[in-house]
Amino acid sequence: DAGITQSPRHKVTETGTPVTLRCHQTENHRYMYWYRQDPGHGLRLIHYSYGVKDTDKGEVSDGYSVSRSKTEDFLLTLESATSSQTSVYFCAISDPGGHNEQYFGPGTRLTVT
Amino acid sequence: EDQVTQSPEALRLQEGESSSLNCSYTVSGLRGLFWYRQDPGKGPEFLFTLYSAGEEKEKERLKATLTKKESFLHITAPKPEDSATYLCAVQAGDYKLSFGAGTTVTVRA
Repeated sequence: DAGITQSPRHKVTETGTPVTLRCHQTENHRYMYWYRQDPGHGLRLIHYSYGVKDTDKGEVSDGYSVSRSKTEDFLLTLESATSSQTSVYFCAISDPGGHNEQYFGPGTRLTVT
Repeated sequence: EDQVTQSPEALRLQEGESSSLNCSYTVSGLRGLFWYRQDPGKGPEFLFTLYSAGEEKEKERLKATLTKKESFLHITAPKPEDSATYLCAVQAGDYKLSFGAGTTVTVRA
């Protein structure tokens, strides 16, 4: 298994509160990604990072921010959680020097009440 | 905009009953097509990458093929442990993946 951990694995929070999800990798891969997965939509890219302090938006970035201060850590912040952000969040990593496949973490189930 | 459509949405098979899953795509400049397996409550697990039309990859009872417009994932003589959701994704000009919604396969003993 790729060395990717996500924390917390489950979280319930109230509307309007800030939430930060953490992704940690031990593979030293340059690229890291945050996705959300919802029934009927598949995996949708929120933000991604192509190096320390280098990030860019994905297709569903509104209401989310990210930070990457170290190669191994990629943080996703919901600045003011809404019920529409109830979802399962997956982190992924890839090495552009390889074959570009992405390896996924175990996911975080977030419920916003 | 890249588009990926998977069919059927769900597939119920008897053990040993071979079948195929379809992934049709529209993308400018395909860099790769990826297949993943996802078990309930877990993250997607990488299976295959296909790069060009005519390419085939195999792993145990799974075989993936690629044409210019679609990919097929063939499941030969499936077993109950092959039950999972299978995801297809395409990669175009950058390193981002666009995923289909998946096909949920249930194999009954």
